[in-house]
Amino acid sequence: NAGVMQNPRHLVRRRGQEARLRCSPMKGHSHVYWYRQLPEEGLKFMVYLQKENIIDESGMPKERFSAEFPKEGPSILRIQQVVRGDSAAYFCASSPGQGTYNSPLHFGNGTRLTVT
Amino acid sequence: AQTVTQSQPEMSVQEAETVTLSCTYDTSESDYYLFWYKQPPSRQMILVIRQEAYKQQNATENRFSVNFQKAAKSFSLKISDSQLGDAAMYFCAYWGGSQGNLIFGKGTKLSVKP
Repeated sequence: NAGVMQNPRHLVRRRGQEARLRCSPMKGHSHVYWYRQLPEEGLKFMVYLQKENIIDESGMPKERFSAEFPKEGPSILRIQQVVRGDSAAYFCASSPGQGTYNSPLHFGNGTRLTVT
Repeated sequence: AQTVTQSQPEMSVQEAETVTLSCTYDTSESDYYLFWYKQPPSRQMILVIRQEAYKQQNATENRFSVNFQKAAKSFSLKISDSQLGDAAMYFCAYWGGSQGNLIFGKGTKLSVKP
């Protein structure tokens, strides 16, 4: 059973470009979470999605950031008009139900975004 | 709002020795879950151990165990017989009933000396 797959592993964008980060959850998992990790920091929650629905986007910046988890295909985190401050590692995690003790989050290896 | 604090930015341990990583949290909830994740240089987040708040018994996973003190809101991780492969960042995380996501501390970087 393949784990959570994120791609690309590394992404370099110039200021003003768009960044698209992809996440395929583990098989059988319908809940997806996106987290951002700045250098020397822990992971910060961004958004929680189920298939075709955004459940909680309280950690998502109001502008330039969006996320989707369509019925078919991977979850996408999209950052428009990137700025240097967007440089970070972005992690996706999935779970079969809402993450709890019995349904802990399984993380991908992250995408490191560098904005030049 | 819930917060998680890891007061040790870096720790070091001799191979085969025991080390304890500290974690405290702040919450007004009575039902919640606590986790320790390991992040090696590969960047992957690996679940090490988890604890349910209503269980008084401390969780144990092989060489890893926790000291959960609910009244003190403390959740420390003990690594016994440390191995070189234990070198990594360790993150303490909280999951409460009122929010649907994990809250992480800033992490402790553990070095293991041969």
